[in-house]
Amino acid sequence: EVQMLESGGGLVQPGGSLRLSCAASGFIFSNYAMSWVRQAPGKGLEWVSGISGSGSTTNYADSVKGRFTISRDNSKNTLYVEMNSLRAEDTAVYYCAKGRSNSSPAFNYWGQGTLVTVSS
Amino acid sequence: DIQMTQSPSSLSAYVGDRVTITCRASQGISNYLAWYQQKPGKVPKLLIYAASTLQSGVPSRFSASGSGTDFTLTISSLQPEDVATYYCQKYNSAPWTFGQGTKVEIK
Repeated sequence: EVQMLESGGGLVQPGGSLRLSCAASGFIFSNYAMSWVRQAPGKGLEWVSGISGSGSTTNYADSVKGRFTISRDNSKNTLYVEMNSLRAEDTAVYYCAKGRSNSSPAFNYWGQGTLVTVSS
Repeated sequence: DIQMTQSPSSLSAYVGDRVTITCRASQGISNYLAWYQQKPGKVPKLLIYAASTLQSGVPSRFSASGSGTDFTLTISSLQPEDVATYYCQKYNSAPWTFGQGTKVEIK
């Protein structure tokens, strides 16, 4: 059974940093692209960042480029996102999402999400 | 970047009605389109990928079509459990943008 569990969310001040983790199980982690998708309170889905199965290719939404860094440790079956220079508009539930394949960012499994609140 | 525009933003229909949601891309994306369902308080669920391929386990009342810039998601007979917000997502190239969502309610 595929499972993904995010952690690391919480309250952080504007300008601060946070690292989210997503521990995955139930599939061969290194064979699949992974992404972070966020959802601000009462708003729609926003794709944030994606990474290939090997970790060699990464992509970012313009809204986070230069501030967020996605990475993965395939030996630990874990996906990460390092978030710096956080802003109030980064407040959201952050989901990790598994692609259908290494080349398909159609997300067939999602974690339960972790809430990040950026506020003073 | 390619923008994804869904219409309508919300709709209300009777149980048993046929419901259609449209997603338009600002540039052609071939068939690199997915549809998701997000029920209130729940995690999004993949319904459709490659524009028209039903994800395993999704009821057959859901169907989708389209290619290029214009896509549709159809619920052939709306059921109470279909109350949700539906999102399209393009994935031909990054950024893998979502539409703004269509909220479906029961009359």
